[in-house]
Amino acid sequence: NAGVTQTPKFQVLKTGQSMTLQCAQDMNHNSMYWYRQDPGMGLRLIYYSASEGTTDKGEVPNGYNVSRLNKREFSLRLESAAPSQTSVYFCASSEDTTDLSYEQYFGPGTRLTVT
Amino acid sequence: SQKIEQNSEALNIQEGKTATLTCNYTNYSPAYLQWYRQDPGRGPVFLLLIRENEKEKRKERLKVTFDTTLKQSLFHITASQPADSATYLCALAVSYGNNRLAFGKGNQVVVIP
Repeated sequence: NAGVTQTPKFQVLKTGQSMTLQCAQDMNHNSMYWYRQDPGMGLRLIYYSASEGTTDKGEVPNGYNVSRLNKREFSLRLESAAPSQTSVYFCASSEDTTDLSYEQYFGPGTRLTVT
Repeated sequence: SQKIEQNSEALNIQEGKTATLTCNYTNYSPAYLQWYRQDPGRGPVFLLLIRENEKEKRKERLKVTFDTTLKQSLFHITASQPADSATYLCALAVSYGNNRLAFGKGNQVVVIP
């Protein structure tokens, strides 16, 4: 039982390049999330997916797209990377969106630098 | 505007003492509040959840209180140990009907042997 896995662990991009961050969970959770964490800003929600086939914007969605490929996988795409997207990205999952009390399980993070 | 405030200064505490962290919020009406621990270079790990109708929750050496009138949660680590050194994040339920959380910036705890 690996929990939430993310690839890659580290990535350096040049401005304008694109890339996809991958996330998978093996806990059969319905809900999945993408956050970014910046010094002094805390964790901010980019997008979330309440269930397979649905996605919704979070607090900071601009410059990102997501795909909920199936129940296990939720990917985050940067179409044209900008230096402002330099951050640590965390994927998380939780059991159910409609119940308000489920904790979120986080992956190990992807450290992205855009030059 | 909505705010979640945690102390930005690290809390340095002697081993064996009780560490107390504060989470204050404005313009939220959370149905529940969660606390997470984050170690450097790692993702947050869930510790405790407390609902709006609960005053206090305990788990081993951890205790959380939730005062919806004061709009404040306190997080206590009793008999602190060097292994408790980490950053602790509070998170509030953003709205009913989904499990969206809004996180505070975190408060670092350093337990001195």
